[in-house]
Amino acid sequence: EDQVTQSPEALRLQEGESSSLNCSYTVSGLRGLFWYRQDPGKGPEFLFTLYSAGEEKEKERLKATLTKKESFLHITAPKPEDSATYLCAVQSVRNQGGKLIFGQGTELSVKP
Amino acid sequence: DTGVSQDPRHKITKRGQNVTFRCDPISEHNRLYWYRQTLGQGPEFLTYFQNEAQLEKSRLLSDRFSAERPKGSFSTLEIQRTEQGDSAMYLCASSSGTDHQPQHFGDGTRLSIL
Repeated sequence: EDQVTQSPEALRLQEGESSSLNCSYTVSGLRGLFWYRQDPGKGPEFLFTLYSAGEEKEKERLKATLTKKESFLHITAPKPEDSATYLCAVQSVRNQGGKLIFGQGTELSVKP
Repeated sequence: DTGVSQDPRHKITKRGQNVTFRCDPISEHNRLYWYRQTLGQGPEFLTYFQNEAQLEKSRLLSDRFSAERPKGSFSTLEIQRTEQGDSAMYLCASSSGTDHQPQHFGDGTRLSIL
């Protein structure tokens, strides 16, 4: 069964304190791994798609990497506005419709 | 581009009542998805449309749930005889026609069952 596990469940950082969020996955043929950001009371906002091991994507203070078993979201010198829940999701090649299997998310809090 | 729009944003109803939610996808997207999210969890897939055809339904989608997408544009999700366990955020997402394209989400409808 396809499964996604994110760690830690919650992370508190001081402004400027870099860290990483982990997404471990088990899937029968990875079509793509997706990172989303979700603010309270809002829907998930798309950040990155990664397709194959070794791939990296960057956007401002965020960098996503992918191996055959996990993905990391690195946050460099975070600011309070980076506070949100970060969700990881996978798509399996077995599924023709492209449904996403999500992890439970990591709640990030950045204090000034 | 106005993004994915969902209505209403909040719905409070009594147990046993029927409720209906609407989703308007991004106009050029032919795929539409419904997910359900409870507090502290990631979204869970419910169902998916390619144009007007409903092509996949999760086992989470009991007989009390029905979704439609007439003419391949907006979609509705109806829950009949609501139960306490139906309380959740119902999210709609849309994407273009290929599997690896990202899904773009609306801000959801939060359902509370009294």
